[in-house]
Amino acid sequence: QLQLQESGPGLVKPSETLSLTCTVSGGSISSNSYYWGWIRQPPGKGLEWIGSIYYSGSTYYSPSLKSRVTISVDTSKNQFSLRLSSVTAADTAVYFCARRAHTPIGFARFDFWGQGTLVTVSS
Amino acid sequence: QTVVTQEPSFSVSPGGTVTLTCGLTSGSVSASYYPSWYQQTPGQAPRALIYSTNTRSSGVPDRFAGSILGNIAALTITGAQADDECDYYCVLYLGSGISVFGGGTRLTVL
Repeated sequence: QLQLQESGPGLVKPSETLSLTCTVSGGSISSNSYYWGWIRQPPGKGLEWIGSIYYSGSTYYSPSLKSRVTISVDTSKNQFSLRLSSVTAADTAVYFCARRAHTPIGFARFDFWGQGTLVTVSS
Repeated sequence: QTVVTQEPSFSVSPGGTVTLTCGLTSGSVSASYYPSWYQQTPGQAPRALIYSTNTRSSGVPDRFAGSILGNIAALTITGAQADDECDYYCVLYLGSGISVFGGGTRLTVL
């Protein structure tokens, strides 16, 4: 069974860079059928797609966050990572990693999710 | 900027039927947006219910049905149960690798 697990600091200072890693187990990140992405949820609010990456390194970002986001992949470690720069309190959220299908059946659905990790932006 | 719209909240009686909707501030939702629906209970990751407009994920009861109604995507829950009370999100694929979540609907069963 595929599993995704987020890891990284739970506290980041304002103006600094948030960095998270998602480790994939039970399957290969180097599949041509899936994209790997990040989604966040501020406390008490809705979900927001941040961006996704293909194992080849092709990236797709939310237009509203594009100037601050970098997503990268390390196929040797079966991991992908998120960097969000110049953070403010508005970036405080639970960050989820998830797999997005790129298959004829189930195209664009987020079918596997990590449990999420809370990142608080505060001095 | 494209915004995906959902009702902020909805209420349904136990055993009743409710239809949650997912629209676009500009334009119509069609199957080419590959609408999908997710269920989220407090403190948990979302769970995929419906994808590609109307296909149920494995293990999802047939009480949940997705469709396109005119210019919106819809999630219909029939025979509502107490444990259906949670948040529901739709997601649309806009193309060029971009997905957008709706604001979510909090469903109350009472």
